[in-house]
Amino acid sequence: KAGVTQTPRYLIKTRGQQVTLSCSPISGHRSVSWYQQTPGQGLQFLFEYFSETQRNKGNFPGRFSGRQFSNSRSEMNVSTLELGDSALYLCASSLVGELGGEQYFGPGTRLTVT
Amino acid sequence: KQEVTQIPAALSVPEGENLVLNCSFTDSAIYNLQWFRQDPGKGLTSLLLIQSSQREQTSGRLNASLDKSSGRSTLYIAASQPGDSATYLCAVKQAGTALIFGKGTTLSVSS
Repeated sequence: KAGVTQTPRYLIKTRGQQVTLSCSPISGHRSVSWYQQTPGQGLQFLFEYFSETQRNKGNFPGRFSGRQFSNSRSEMNVSTLELGDSALYLCASSLVGELGGEQYFGPGTRLTVT
Repeated sequence: KQEVTQIPAALSVPEGENLVLNCSFTDSAIYNLQWFRQDPGKGLTSLLLIQSSQREQTSGRLNASLDKSSGRSTLYIAASQPGDSATYLCAVKQAGTALIFGKGTTLSVSS
């Protein structure tokens, strides 16, 4: 069974631009969560989607948004990029959502904002 | 508010040594606790998942225990190898929240 895939793996953007990251969960998994990882803050939760509905949202500004499609693939978008948005963005999928099934992570997208 | 702490932040051991990584959490009302491994610049690899009703889980040379009442979990690695060098993260899952992570323990095993 294929694991969680994320595209692209690396991105370099300029301040003020916007970016879209994609995540394909493990086949059959309906829950997709997004996390931001930085050296200073560690792993911070962005949002979780389950069956195309946003179930939970972390404490990030509205510039960060996401969506989930009917095939469970998810995208996250960051508008008006800031230098502080440089991070590793990780996506995780699980078979069940709220009740806490095992989470499987993708390889991440490394975003650099210059 | 749940807080997850991992001590020590870094650990260096010689090959072959048995070692224990610690994880503590402040709120015992958890669904489960998961241990992950992360290699530099890579994603997270799930090592073990312990449900709240379980006391321990084992996979190969790894054994994870959970004591919910005291808010602690340990990851025991037997006969460490240089390939075990990585950052180990623990995370807890509660109702209505995403995984809450500790900052990790960076392990270095020398040959």
